[in-house]
Amino acid sequence: TQLLEQSPQFLSIQEGENLTVYCNSSSVFSSLQWYRQEPGEGPVLLVTVVTGGEVKKLKRLTFQFGDARKDSSLHITAAQPGDTGLYLCAGQTSGSRLTFGEGTQLTVNP
Amino acid sequence: KAGVTQTPRYLIKTRGQQVTLSCSPISGHRSVSWYQQTPGQGLQFLFEYFSETQRNKGNFPGRFSGRQFSNSRSEMNVSTLELGDSALYLCASSLDRHTIYFGEGSWLTVV
Repeated sequence: TQLLEQSPQFLSIQEGENLTVYCNSSSVFSSLQWYRQEPGEGPVLLVTVVTGGEVKKLKRLTFQFGDARKDSSLHITAAQPGDTGLYLCAGQTSGSRLTFGEGTQLTVNP
Repeated sequence: KAGVTQTPRYLIKTRGQQVTLSCSPISGHRSVSWYQQTPGQGLQFLFEYFSETQRNKGNFPGRFSGRQFSNSRSEMNVSTLELGDSALYLCASSLDRHTIYFGEGSWLTVV
């Protein structure tokens, strides 16, 4: 069974602070995806990283895929209240099957 | 371009009943997968269909089944509903292996 450990599970910070969310596994994934989910809605795809060592930036969000393709991180710079939500990492194995981490519930206080 | 559409959005069923959920993928996407999301277990993979064939199956009992039609639309069925089946059921579609989009989900409550 492939597992993804995501940390921290909960994070409450002030507007303007930086944060990093981690996603770790002992398994190798063909790609890793990050999603953000709002209450009552489906996950929205933020980014997909495929190559080991890959770094992608999406405005204030920076995503990194580990060299061995077993871990990933999401860094948010100068967090804003609009960043509040559940952040999920998901590792892809065969086909389109995703293994999800437990999620990080981020709250950014104004 | 329309996203992944799931119906119904909300439904309430009684224990022992069955339920069918529907998913229309993004136009052109041939892969459809289903997930169950609960507070305790998070997001768990149910099954994946590609060109009407089940390509992957998660660790769920046989009460959970699905199918895909020639137009890529998919349905999942849960028979003999149990209280523990209450969850958000999410459908996802993809064109390539690395870009997977989710619908808003179907909220199922079993009473």
